[in-house]
Amino acid sequence: GQQLNQSPQSMFIQEGEDVSMNCTSSSIFNTWLWYKQDPGEGPVLLIALYKAGELTSNGRLTAQFGITRKDSFLNISASIPSDVGIYFCAGHPSYNTDKLIFGTGTRLQVFP
Amino acid sequence: GAVVSQHPSRVICKSGTSVKIECRSLDFQATTMFWYRQFPKQSLMLMATSNEGSKATYEQGVEKDKFLINHASLTLSTLTVTSAHPEDSSFYICSQGLRGREETQYFGPGTRLLVL
Repeated sequence: GQQLNQSPQSMFIQEGEDVSMNCTSSSIFNTWLWYKQDPGEGPVLLIALYKAGELTSNGRLTAQFGITRKDSFLNISASIPSDVGIYFCAGHPSYNTDKLIFGTGTRLQVFP
Repeated sequence: GAVVSQHPSRVICKSGTSVKIECRSLDFQATTMFWYRQFPKQSLMLMATSNEGSKATYEQGVEKDKFLINHASLTLSTLTVTSAHPEDSSFYICSQGLRGREETQYFGPGTRLLVL
């Protein structure tokens, strides 16, 4: 099935640094969702975006719904060790609004 | 957000046996729930959409006779992996939409299936 292109694939950063990751598609999306998944757990919703241009924050996390509706980014400021995990973007494409499509994931490692 | 539970959290079974995984909505009634499969180091792939009181909708390539879905009540959907084989070993995760914002999906903790 279709997957969203997510980059980078992995990141190794030092505690305190800021992080940025993004998600792109060739199709227009109606929603963008960002999840974090810890090993052996289900994904946990971080931020949900519902309209083009929307910029939403959740603590140290900020995400934006791209104006073209074909991309989204997630920023994490002042990273801490518990930010370690896999981050997934997901969204509902305009051609099939019932289906949630996931990105390929960004694996984040934070070193103290 | 919505609260979703799954049972069991992990199961090991012999090849050829059937395994049932339960997904429960704990805080409100969900007419639609979703089942995903995730292989190691990969992303989540939608398997099927579970509709309360009607047949599930399966994604292309997912065998409906192998992955039986029952959504008999508004708070419970079950996925039965029939005649499981080692290649069915995976992480199975269910989700439900937030009431009033069904496109915002909340996920259960997942079930790790290992078929020997």
